[in-house]
Amino acid sequence: NAGVTQTPKFQVLKTGQSMTLQCAQDMNHEYMSWYRQDPGMGLRLIHYSVGAGITDQGEVPNGYNVSRSTTEDFPLRLLSAAPSQTSVYFCASSLDGNQPQHFGDGTRLSIL
Amino acid sequence: SQQGEEDPQALSIQEGENATMNCSYKTSINNLQWYRQNSGRGLVHLILIRSNEREKHSGRLRVTLDTSKKSSSLLITASRAADTASYFCATDTGRRALTFGSGTRLQVQP
Repeated sequence: NAGVTQTPKFQVLKTGQSMTLQCAQDMNHEYMSWYRQDPGMGLRLIHYSVGAGITDQGEVPNGYNVSRSTTEDFPLRLLSAAPSQTSVYFCASSLDGNQPQHFGDGTRLSIL
Repeated sequence: SQQGEEDPQALSIQEGENATMNCSYKTSINNLQWYRQNSGRGLVHLILIRSNEREKHSGRLRVTLDTSKKSSSLLITASRAADTASYFCATDTGRRALTFGSGTRLQVQP
C-alpha cells in the first residue's frame, strides 16, 4: 500500500498561471480533503469530498477548485495562481472526516 | 481563530525527560486527536480520545482530556531525539472535517 500519494513534491509558478496538484489514495477511503499549511497557522481546510461526485468547501476555498470523479483521486486546481497561495499543500484521506486522517507528504508550492 | 490552540508553541528538552503539550479548544467535541509531523513530511495520527474518555495511553504517549475545561494534554515520557517534531491537536466538533491547531514544535536534545 502506498497510502496517500501527492505529486509534484515541489513546484514554482508565476502569478496568473494555473496548475493541478494531484492526490491519489489506495485505501478505498470515501473521505478526502485538501489543507494548506502556513507558518504559525496550522492546517486550514480548503475543500473536502465525502465520496465520488461529492465535494464541499472548507475554510479557505477561494482560488481553488476540486472534483472527485473516482474514489481514488482528488485533484486540487489553482485557477490563477497568486503569491498568497504560496504554501505547503497536504492531501488526506480517511473512512470519514472525523476519523484518523492519513496524510500525503505534501506539495511545496511557490508563486512568484 | 483556531478551534484548537497548542501550548507552548515551542519546547526544548533533553533526551530522557518528559514532554508535555497542551491543547485548548472552544466548542464541544466528539473526539480529539493528536498528530505528529516530522520536518518535510505529512502529519501522522498518534492517538484519538473520545469525549467520554478521560485518559488514554499508547506506548510512551499519554493523553488526557478535560471536557469541563475544554483542554487536552499530550505527555511523551522518556523522550528520544527521534521524538523531535511538531505536534498538533485536532478536534471533531460534529462538522464534516477536523479542525487543527497551530502546533507545538518539540526539540529533544541528545
